[in-house]
Amino acid sequence: DTGVSQDPRHKITKRGQNVTFRCDPISEHNRLYWYRQTLGQGPEFLTYFQNEAQLEKSRLLSDRFSAERPKGSFSTLEIQRTEQGDSAMYLCASSSSPVEQFFGPGTRLTVL
Amino acid sequence: SQKIEQNSEALNIQEGKTATLTCNYTNYSPAYLQWYRQDPGRGPVFLLLIRENEKEKRKERLKVTFDTTLKQSLFHITASQPADSATYLCALETGANNLFFGTGTRLTVIP
Repeated sequence: DTGVSQDPRHKITKRGQNVTFRCDPISEHNRLYWYRQTLGQGPEFLTYFQNEAQLEKSRLLSDRFSAERPKGSFSTLEIQRTEQGDSAMYLCASSSSPVEQFFGPGTRLTVL
Repeated sequence: SQKIEQNSEALNIQEGKTATLTCNYTNYSPAYLQWYRQDPGRGPVFLLLIRENEKEKRKERLKVTFDTTLKQSLFHITASQPADSATYLCALETGANNLFFGTGTRLTVIP
């Protein structure tokens, strides 16, 4: 399968713990995006990479969130000191142009 | 800031009819607008893009219109099938490197 993959698919953690998610984009795509989606809402933009450079960050991305894309390939999203409000689906998308983003299956985070 | 409203949270129609979904936006003039389909527990899947200078775009049973004066896009599925049941999301390009999504309309096609 050459689509966008995300790992893990599900994560349950206790409040205050740190979690890290991984996204592997489509190999020829230089653009990578992270979104967060809560129940009944559309995806909300978190951050954007072009190659290894993080070019955009939403104000939703508090100091507890950090994302990296070393070598411009896979990306990780880390949430430190998780809170119950962080419970959501975290979606990764990649593209080779500003249009048509290809989304992965998402990582569902539950913070107890 | 941008705001998107998609007509209803849920829309039920009979198989074979045409489903029409509405996307209204304010406080922005996007260069293009996209429609995505999302099934439960999965990421959105791109369906169609329409640019500001295009009135209508078609793809198989799908049709999208874009009225920049009304700030509205309509998304039609003709000859609807139960397999078309999903949530449909409207998304605007923001001029920055990301998309701004609506909350979606959950379509159910009843056999």
